[in-house]
Amino acid sequence: NAGVTQTPKFQVLKTGQSMTLQCAQDMNHNSMYWYRQDPGMGLRLIYYSASEGTTDKGEVPNGYNVSRLNKREFSLRLESAAPSQTSVYFCASSELRPATQYFGPGTRLTVL
Amino acid sequence: AQTVTQSQPEMSVQEAETVTLSCTYDTSENNYYLFWYKQPPSRQMILVIRQEAYKQQNATENRFSVNFQKAAKSFSLKISDSQLGDTAMYFCAFILNFGNEKLTFGTGTRLTIIP
Repeated sequence: NAGVTQTPKFQVLKTGQSMTLQCAQDMNHNSMYWYRQDPGMGLRLIYYSASEGTTDKGEVPNGYNVSRLNKREFSLRLESAAPSQTSVYFCASSELRPATQYFGPGTRLTVL
Repeated sequence: AQTVTQSQPEMSVQEAETVTLSCTYDTSENNYYLFWYKQPPSRQMILVIRQEAYKQQNATENRFSVNFQKAAKSFSLKISDSQLGDTAMYFCAFILNFGNEKLTFGTGTRLTIIP
């Protein structure tokens, strides 16, 4: 089992460029999440998907879109990247109950 | 809204000693989970231990144990016989058990184990 995988591991963008972060899990979990981690802060929820076909906004959704492609995959898209989106992005998955979330290795994104 | 507070930004301890990391949280609900996650320099978020609020017994995982004080809304992590591999950021996190699946994190404690 690979658990939760994310691609790419690193990315550098110029302001205004777009990109999609990919996430996949092989644990047959219903719920998936995208977080961002900034220096001196814990993780903040961007979007989540409680089940296939549903998505909801988290704490910091502005500037992002998501797609729950199927039960395994949950992508995060930046349509027009801004320097404020420079961060480390984590994907996670969980069953509904127990609510333990398992994390991917993260993507370090820099927007110049 | 739920909040999680970690008041110790940094700690250090000698190898083989015991260290306790503090966490407090605020909620008006009764049914929830608490977690400690470890983030080593590799950046991976690793689950250390989990506590269900309805369980009075403190959770234990090998050298890691918690002191869960529900009335005080306190959830500290004790690491016994600390090892160099324990050097990491440690995050306390909270989630309600209502199907509201929003995990709220504290700001973390950077723990350094000194050889």
